[in-house]
Amino acid sequence: AQSVAQPEDQVNVAEGNPLTVKCTYSVSGNPYLFWYVQYPNRGLQFLLKYITGDNLVKGSYGFEAEFNKSQTSFHLKKPSALVSDSALYFCAVRDNFNKFYFGSGTKLNVKP
Amino acid sequence: DGGITQSPKYLFRKEGQNVTLSCEQNLNHDAMYWYRQDPGQGLRLIYYSQIVNDFQKGDIAEGYSVSREKKESFPLTVTSAQKNPTAFYLCASSLPGQGRGGYGYTFGSGTRLTVV
Repeated sequence: AQSVAQPEDQVNVAEGNPLTVKCTYSVSGNPYLFWYVQYPNRGLQFLLKYITGDNLVKGSYGFEAEFNKSQTSFHLKKPSALVSDSALYFCAVRDNFNKFYFGSGTKLNVKP
Repeated sequence: DGGITQSPKYLFRKEGQNVTLSCEQNLNHDAMYWYRQDPGQGLRLIYYSQIVNDFQKGDIAEGYSVSREKKESFPLTVTSAQKNPTAFYLCASSLPGQGRGGYGYTFGSGTRLTVV
């Protein structure tokens, strides 16, 4: 079955430290990979996507993600976390039939 | 500005009542989607529509209905058959798929439905 896994319900990091939010997927073909961020009582906002090419993708607000085909992972990273980065993060995968699969979300807490 | 608008932002429903959530987009996107979000459960697909006058059930369609009479509009009706409708509802749209590039979703800001 096709699926996307975000193994951590919550990630805690101190402001100024690097952060990683993990995502692995099991989707056939050559899927497209996305990260979205959700602030309380808001819709999801696009952060970045991987389509093809360089495995390191840079996105909004200083975030980046590394695609690893052999490990079927697409971890979200940021070199230096900000308190304002605290939010809910979703990994999503779009298969070759335009169907989206979302992870369950990871709550990022950045403490001052 | 192009975007996707959901209304109302907050909605209260009495037991046994049908309510309709609005979703309108001016992005000229062909595909539209409805998701339900419950705490700790991520997003679950209710219905989706790839073209006008056509729509398909998602993973949790029971107790919901939709229509797609116009490209811009994809309203969701929560019927009395939905036993636990209290949730946050998200509408999204996208350009269609296969071979046309890695288009993602654009999301509305959501409607919070509460049964009273």
